[in-house]
Amino acid sequence: GNSVTQMEGPVTLSEEAFLTINCTYTATGYPSLFWYVQYPGEGLQLLLKATKADDKGSNKGFEATYRKETTSFHLEKGSVQVSDSAVYFCALSAPDDNSGGSNYKLTFGKGTLLTVNP
Amino acid sequence: NAGVMQNPRHLVRRRGQEARLRCSPVKGHSHVYWYRQLPEEGLKFMVYLQKENIIDESGMPKERFSAEFPKEGPSILRIQQVVRGDSAAYFCASSQLTGPGNTIYFGEGSWLTVV
Repeated sequence: GNSVTQMEGPVTLSEEAFLTINCTYTATGYPSLFWYVQYPGEGLQLLLKATKADDKGSNKGFEATYRKETTSFHLEKGSVQVSDSAVYFCALSAPDDNSGGSNYKLTFGKGTLLTVNP
Repeated sequence: NAGVMQNPRHLVRRRGQEARLRCSPVKGHSHVYWYRQLPEEGLKFMVYLQKENIIDESGMPKERFSAEFPKEGPSILRIQQVVRGDSAAYFCASSQLTGPGNTIYFGEGSWLTVV
């Protein structure tokens, strides 16, 4: 089946530090990959995505590259801000056997809590 | 902003009562998903519906839980005879299509507390 493993937190950084959150996946077929962010008390917001190997998703200074050879989609940001404090979820979308291959539901990692201190 | 709308945002129920969570998808979206987030855990898929049809309910507990997405009106996730272990955040999501790379948009969640 499909699964996502991401770096366990919590991660605590100082403002302007470099961020990496590791994410690896297992999937049947050729998945699309996503990073979602959840701010305290809110729902999930799509941060970035990549749909094929070597694609780089980017948004708000965050980047992640789809690496098929290492089945990875690590999230990076060169200089974090206090406002980046949130939980980050790596996810994949791939056909699912439970619906005859018609359900491209999202499979999530457990989330990584990031706290950025001033 | 016509995003995914969920209500209520917060719901408190006593053990044995029923909880009913509502979700209005993004306008024009016919695919709805429900996910559950338990404390200290990630999001777990529960059910995927298209208008009037349940496509995949592989993540739904076998008893007490049901979901519908009628032709008119919001999608409803219904939990009968709630127990403490049902306390969680329930997220609804919607998409216009289903397929590779398709983006799924999430609502702000309904936080259920069972006392």
